[in-house]
Amino acid sequence: DSGVTQTPKHLITATGQRVTLRCSPRSGDLSVYWYQQSLDQGLQFLIQYYNGEERAKGNILERFSAQQFPDLHSELNLSSLELGDSALYFCASSVELATYNEQFFGPGTRLTVL
Amino acid sequence: AQSVTQLGSHVSVSEGALVLLRCNYSSSVPPYLFWYVQYPNQGLQLLLKYTSAATLVKGINGFEAEFKKSETSFHLTKPSAHMSDAAEYFCAVSERDDKIIFGKGTRLHILP
Repeated sequence: DSGVTQTPKHLITATGQRVTLRCSPRSGDLSVYWYQQSLDQGLQFLIQYYNGEERAKGNILERFSAQQFPDLHSELNLSSLELGDSALYFCASSVELATYNEQFFGPGTRLTVL
Repeated sequence: AQSVTQLGSHVSVSEGALVLLRCNYSSSVPPYLFWYVQYPNQGLQLLLKYTSAATLVKGINGFEAEFKKSETSFHLTKPSAHMSDAAEYFCAVSERDDKIIFGKGTRLHILP
């Protein structure tokens, strides 16, 4: 158990819909990362937040957005969903900002878009 | 921009044999390098990392990796494979900015 929690574990929805994925980092971790894992694209870095502020962006679509709240939990919002958005979405956390710090991954949310 | 290439999407080794998973990176500055492991239905877990100290890095579960700047490689090895090593392994690179780039992964199969 990494100490990172993600809800829900599974999500099935239809094209065009909007969903919210939730992540609670390990106690004391200020940095939260979001990743998308699919068979064809592999593991793609989406976005990073540190202590409530956006710090880095990766291959995140404009239809996707995220935020980190004062209690440090984070939400990833996916809108106008397409079939290709079906994937595993991971959240990870680390103590500080620097990327040499170990990232602790949650168990993931499996999103299926029908 | 940094990038990572993992050679071989699937590698099979016999139990007790040497494990060698290959990773080559591209980076414009001295990088940080990582190996993560993903067991079925789980998130990723850090095996080891290189942060410009010793070039031979020892990790958990008997794995180690050697940073070779001249070859831009960071291959992962383990002298003797166990059945429990069956998993997917990801090499990753960071150029000390806020991004970390993962390779496409290598699935390790252990043959009895």
